[in-house]
Amino acid sequence: GAVVSQHPSRVICKSGTSVKIECRSLDFQATTMFWYRQFPKQSLMLMATSNEGSKATYEQGVEKDKFLINHASLTLSTLTVTSAHPEDSSFYICSAHGWGQRNTIYFGEGSWLTVV
Amino acid sequence: AQKVTQAQTEISVVEKEDVTLDCVYETRDTTYYLFWYKQPPSGELVFLIRRNSFDEQNEISGRYSWNFQKSTSSFNFTITASQVVDSAVYFCALWDSNYQLIWGAGTKLIIKP
Repeated sequence: GAVVSQHPSRVICKSGTSVKIECRSLDFQATTMFWYRQFPKQSLMLMATSNEGSKATYEQGVEKDKFLINHASLTLSTLTVTSAHPEDSSFYICSAHGWGQRNTIYFGEGSWLTVV
Repeated sequence: AQKVTQAQTEISVVEKEDVTLDCVYETRDTTYYLFWYKQPPSGELVFLIRRNSFDEQNEISGRYSWNFQKSTSSFNFTITASQVVDSAVYFCALWDSNYQLIWGAGTKLIIKP
């Protein structure tokens, strides 16, 4: 079964509004979570690395004020797209890394965001 | 620099043919992991395999097999007797010492009936 759950799987929002995407590790503590964006027919692009209890590290070119990432607990990270615009429409996917027997990376199911 | 190259942008074969997807990587790390993921049209990433850099044994899982060769920095993926359900985009990825995944561009595999 899924070890990383991402919600919502699909969301449509109006331009100018904000939308939150959640990423939860279900049965392990994820010390680090990663957020990716994928444009059609392209590979995944890392947006930011999120460590529990500290500020996220954003990749170059990613606006931290537009893509707010919060990793408040060892099982939950959230990505909030603020003041969304149609160009923010994309597939967003998170992954989580945990130690010990979970020393690997697991992916969420992904979230399709459409801004109209 | 850390890099993953999947030179084949798209492959199209007829069902039941064997097909090999190539993956070549570059890394300075001595300890690393390599992954293969399948991404069907629905979008979710399906984990296929993880290989530790110290383990060069080839892996076979049903119709899938992987050939890991450190000497050529390659981690190729072969599907035997392909099926239409194998149609998807396949990604090879390198997990580096910073625990970030370096992704290949992906290979779109089309299996025709």
